[in-house]
Amino acid sequence: DTGVSQDPRHKITKRGQNVTFRCDPISEHNRLYWYRQTLGQGPEFLTYFQNEAQLEKSRLLSDRFSAERPKGSFSTLEIQRTEQGDSAMYLCASSSRRGQETEAFFGQGTRLTVV
Amino acid sequence: KQEVTQIPAALSVPEGENLVLNCSFTDSAIYNLQWFRQDPGKGLTSLLLIQSSQREQTSGRLNASLDKSSGRSTLYIAASQPGDSATYLCAVTGGNYQLIWGAGTKLIIKP
Repeated sequence: DTGVSQDPRHKITKRGQNVTFRCDPISEHNRLYWYRQTLGQGPEFLTYFQNEAQLEKSRLLSDRFSAERPKGSFSTLEIQRTEQGDSAMYLCASSSRRGQETEAFFGQGTRLTVV
Repeated sequence: KQEVTQIPAALSVPEGENLVLNCSFTDSAIYNLQWFRQDPGKGLTSLLLIQSSQREQTSGRLNASLDKSSGRSTLYIAASQPGDSATYLCAVTGGNYQLIWGAGTKLIIKP
């Protein structure tokens, strides 16, 4: 297992188009997170899965955003009718709970540019 | 609501110097605190994880401390090198297992 992987690494899309990103977590990790990061800022939480259940969604996740983790393994994040303000780095992380440990490991991110 | 602050926002030092990055948080009810490194346009690399019951962690030239009662953590980098140039972010894990982030410290090590 090489860690958390995200696909694609870069995506350029026209405003109004739909885009979908994929995240493959570390295989034994049951928790999966999506974050969004804009230039010069720390990441902002979007949503969180424990196994296949989506347990929490940020208010940042508007109706145009949807995330799934159908079998508790990989996850997808879809943005419909993209807007220029959606341009950001989308980061996926996974973690597992061993005792009190909840260390999060991140993928390399998907950089979205909406033109 | 948990808030995480990192000071300074940017730091430039000559190669070889020891330096300290600061992170503060407002709610001491955390599971852990992590320090990450981020290179321009790249994802996040975990550097050190300190559990809430721990005071410090060390990895090579890096040492991170945690004072939960005062809501502070420091990342100490010894004998800095140009390859250490990056943005360093701290994040705390709260009761809902979310990471709450600081905005980062952009570090430049001058050769």
